[in-house]
Amino acid sequence: AQRVTQPEKLLSVFKGAPVELKCNYSYSGSPELFWYVQYSRQRLQLLLRHISRESIKGFTADLNKGETSFHLKKPFAQEEDSAMYYCALSGLDNFGNEKLTFGTGTRLTIIP
Amino acid sequence: DAGVIQSPRHEVTEMGQEVTLRCKPISGHDYLFWYRQTMMRGLELLIYFNNNVPIDDSGMPEDRFSAKMPNASFSTLKIQPSEPRDSAVYFCASSWDREYEQYFGPGTRLTVT
Repeated sequence: AQRVTQPEKLLSVFKGAPVELKCNYSYSGSPELFWYVQYSRQRLQLLLRHISRESIKGFTADLNKGETSFHLKKPFAQEEDSAMYYCALSGLDNFGNEKLTFGTGTRLTIIP
Repeated sequence: DAGVIQSPRHEVTEMGQEVTLRCKPISGHDYLFWYRQTMMRGLELLIYFNNNVPIDDSGMPEDRFSAKMPNASFSTLKIQPSEPRDSAVYFCASSWDREYEQYFGPGTRLTVT
């Protein structure tokens, strides 16, 4: 079974301070991991995926297979980063079908 | 709590057939969301309900899609008639507040041939 854990429901960070949103996963195979973001009164949208190794809006996330983590980081928080962040894992179920599992999300609040 | 429950987990149907996807949210959650996941478009919000009332259905792709929530513990997403481009994974999620964490179901994989 695959599982995604986001241990922090709420996270408050001062503007300009570094941000780290934690995500740990459980999966026996080789996972594909994503971060989704939902800004206030907007739809959930894809922020980044580990396979593309890109940086979006200053955010990066590195897959650490040893620690089974995919933490989202940004060196200097901005007020517009306040949002809900969801970590998600895509893997194969027992029937070989792709399955996407979401964590319960972390609400990030940037303090001016 | 068993979490958000969706059924069926897999659905294979022929083009033109009616498809009904079902969702049981977590008890006590007032918000229910339907999403569609494809590799091309990622995760898209289709519609969401608050206290069984549809609030925003602007994500519903076309009139072939409809969603209902007859009571607090059950919702359906219907596609009639289905088309091959509807093939995707459909997620249901629920939360107790619009802007707080959403708990996702396992999804229904729909294949329309």
